Amino acid sequence: KAGVTQTPRYLIKTRGQQVTLSCSPISGHRSVSWYQQTPGQGLQFLFEYFSETQRNKGNFPGRFSGRQFSNSRSEMNVSTLELGDSALYLCASSLVFLNTGELFFGEGSRLTVL
Amino acid sequence: GENVEQHPSTLSVQEGDSAVIKCTYSDSASNYFPWYKQELGKGPQLIIDIRSNVGEKKDQRIAVTLNKTAKHFSLHITETQPEDSAVYFCAASKDTDKLIFGTGTRLQVFP
Repeated sequence: KAGVTQTPRYLIKTRGQQVTLSCSPISGHRSVSWYQQTPGQGLQFLFEYFSETQRNKGNFPGRFSGRQFSNSRSEMNVSTLELGDSALYLCASSLVFLNTGELFFGEGSRLTVL
Repeated sequence: GENVEQHPSTLSVQEGDSAVIKCTYSDSASNYFPWYKQELGKGPQLIIDIRSNVGEKKDQRIAVTLNKTAKHFSLHITETQPEDSAVYFCAASKDTDKLIFGTGTRLQVFP
């Protein structure tokens, strides 16, 4: 059974640009959540989608957005990139809602903003 | 909102010794407490979890304890092995709310 796939794995952008990250969940999983990981800050929750609807949202500015498609694949977008957006962005999928089961994480997309 | 504090940030132990990582949470309504292990270059992976109706749970060399009164929970790893070296994250959530993670503990097990 294929795991969670995130693309691209690495990318470099400059300030002011925008970026789109993609996540393909495990087959059959309907919930996808996104986390930002930075040294010293741990995993910061961005948002969670279930059946194409955003169910939970973290405390990030509106520059961070996401969506989920009918096949459960999800994308997140960051507009007007800032240096502080450099991080590892992790996607996780689960069968049902966030805290009712195990989260399966992808290996992440490492974003560097110059 | 919920806040999870995790200590220590780094932990070094000799192979065979025990390791303990502690977390405290702020929201007394939290009822789900998982622990994730992240190896270098990989995403976190669930190693054990506990719900608020249980005080302790064991899985081979790993155990988690929960003290709801004090609002803290701990991960215990016995007979540590070099392959236990990784970053460990605790987390907490309530009902269907978002999962809030601690800042992580880097565990190094020296042979």
